[in-house]
Amino acid sequence: GENVEQHPSTLSVQEGDSAVIKCTYSDSASNYFPWYKQELGKGPQLIIDIRSNVGEKKDQRIAVTLNKTAKHFSLHITETQPEDSAVYFCAASYKAAGNKLTFGGGTRVLVKP
Amino acid sequence: DSGVTQTPKHLITATGQRVTLRCSPRSGDLSVYWYQQSLDQGLQFLIQYYNGEERAKGNILERFSAQQFPDLHSELNLSSLELGDSALYFCASSPTSGGIAFFGQGTRLTVV
Repeated sequence: GENVEQHPSTLSVQEGDSAVIKCTYSDSASNYFPWYKQELGKGPQLIIDIRSNVGEKKDQRIAVTLNKTAKHFSLHITETQPEDSAVYFCAASYKAAGNKLTFGGGTRVLVKP
Repeated sequence: DSGVTQTPKHLITATGQRVTLRCSPRSGDLSVYWYQQSLDQGLQFLIQYYNGEERAKGNILERFSAQQFPDLHSELNLSSLELGDSALYFCASSPTSGGIAFFGQGTRLTVV
């Protein structure tokens, strides 16, 4: 089955700096790659996603890039703010597996004011 | 608010007991997924239902079972509970055959 690895496990950045989280996946059949943000005591919230027919997608301060050949994808957060502090999860899925999401281990991001 | 409702929010029970967790998906979503998140751990896929039928199974213990009812709500049943079953249990729903998934706020289960 699919295996998703996520790095780093923790990331501390100064407010205003950029944050980058990287994920690799194992199954070349995966074609959907969402990113979730989980705040303390809450459920994961979808923040951005990308499909395999697209190389990059941007939404305000958040962008995701996908390299299908290398089987890795990354989340970029620019101009970080204290409210960006949370745990971020990447995931991968494909239709033949019921579109179930396989998650990376998570990255705890701390934005220091 | 994702539109996915889970009840109860918190549950404390003793070892050996049985509990039922409930999930109401977003209006119109046919797929329901259950995930387990242990302390400081990632999200582990348990099981998926699509329009009442089991679609995919993950690392779900034999002591656990689930079902999706005609009104599309789903229940996760956990029996013979052990201390190690203490975790957050999340339900997610997805329109039609999947892709985008929206998570509920979770049920925090504590087994004492």
